[in-house]
Amino acid sequence: QSALTQPASVSGSPGQSITISCTGTSSDVGGYNYVSWYQQHPGKAPKLMIYEVSNRPSGVSNRFSGSKSGNTASLTISGLQAEDEADYYCSSYTSSSTLFGTGTKVTVL
Amino acid sequence: QVQLQESGPGLVKPSQTLSLTCTVSGGSISSGSYYWSWIRQPAGKGLEWIGRIYTSGSTNYNPSLKSRVTISVDTSKNQFSLKLSSVTAADTAVYYCARETTIFGVVMGFDPWGQGTLVTVSS
Repeated sequence: QSALTQPASVSGSPGQSITISCTGTSSDVGGYNYVSWYQQHPGKAPKLMIYEVSNRPSGVSNRFSGSKSGNTASLTISGLQAEDEADYYCSSYTSSSTLFGTGTKVTVL
Repeated sequence: QVQLQESGPGLVKPSQTLSLTCTVSGGSISSGSYYWSWIRQPAGKGLEWIGRIYTSGSTNYNPSLKSRVTISVDTSKNQFSLKLSSVTAADTAVYYCARETTIFGVVMGFDPWGQGTLVTVSS
């Protein structure tokens, strides 16, 4: 059971859009529509940003959006803001486990 | 609003058993359709799912930890617990408890999370 693959870092200027990928296999990301995304600021617990591939919990900005194609899910942050600088993790639920991604550090230039 | 709070020893000796408890407030642990999960994060590293227990009592564990992990629920105390046996320094991490909601079979991600508790394995 390997972690889902994410780029180690992604950066962008304020106002730009960035996309973080999350690659798994047909047994996890590709086989279930239960991909979630989490934002984690230093020293804090992760915060749910997206669930079921593209759904936003109440209170999460609509600048955050999710999608999936095959075995790869993606998180897009539009209108990048300084407060978006954080670590981001994807996760994929399966009937027997949950996998997390390797994590991506987002830097706002 | 449901809140989760981890508690337990912050220091565990190598080869001993790590025991943590997650207290659920603001809602009943035995009502609804929820997975109650444990997740850990070594310093400077990523998240690792440890395992979960469903409202019905069924469990799933990370295959890499399965031989050492037990997750259980105490409905009378509105708590669920983690036991990890034969710990080594590699088990040093911040341990989080979290709830995963399922509605009509849809799994809705981990929310809420506890604040996390640091457990250090050292003699």
